[in-house]
Amino acid sequence: AQSVTQPDIHITVSEGASLELRCNYSYGATPYLFWYVQSPGQGLQLLLKYFSGDTLVQGIKGFEAEFKRSQSSFNLRKPSVHWSDAAEYFCAVGADRGSTLGRLYFGRGTQLTVWP
Amino acid sequence: DVKVTQSSRYLVKRTGEKVFLECVQDMDHENMFWYRQDPGLGLRLIYFSYDVKMKEKGDIPEGYSVSREKKERFSLILESASTNQTSMYLCASRAGGPTDTQYFGPGTRLTVL
Repeated sequence: AQSVTQPDIHITVSEGASLELRCNYSYGATPYLFWYVQSPGQGLQLLLKYFSGDTLVQGIKGFEAEFKRSQSSFNLRKPSVHWSDAAEYFCAVGADRGSTLGRLYFGRGTQLTVWP
Repeated sequence: DVKVTQSSRYLVKRTGEKVFLECVQDMDHENMFWYRQDPGLGLRLIYFSYDVKMKEKGDIPEGYSVSREKKERFSLILESASTNQTSMYLCASRAGGPTDTQYFGPGTRLTVL
């Protein structure tokens, strides 16, 4: 079965510092991978997604993620964090076959705090 | 812009009550989803639907049912609410296949007393 692990429950960075949020997935075939962000009191918003092609994916708000098949990882990065990036971040993997067609499996989330 | 709306942002109910959570999307999406979000557990899928009158169980369907009589509307029903169903409930919709984006509503925070 598919699964997603986000090893870091909470990360704190200073404004202007670089950021990397980790995501590891478990899936037998080529996965569909997503990063979502949830600001306080809001629903989830898609940052970026990967399903084929270039393994470095650009998203909104200056985020990027790199798919590394050998490491089963899809880490999210941003070169310079802004205070408005404080939020909870969710990694998700999707399946394209079997009874789980089309559904997503979410990680438990990483809460990002940004110090001024 | 895709819009997914949920009938209530906050809801307080009593144990044993029947609770209806409504979700409406305005983009003619085929697929709709109900998730439950709890701190430290991420999002867990309750039910999803690929078409009108069709439904499929997710990971935690016990204590819940769903209804999709019209394409734009997907309802989550708690037949007899219990305190352990106190949670944030998120609805999402998606146009087509698994590479398409899921669009989320703002959530309903349900408290069962």
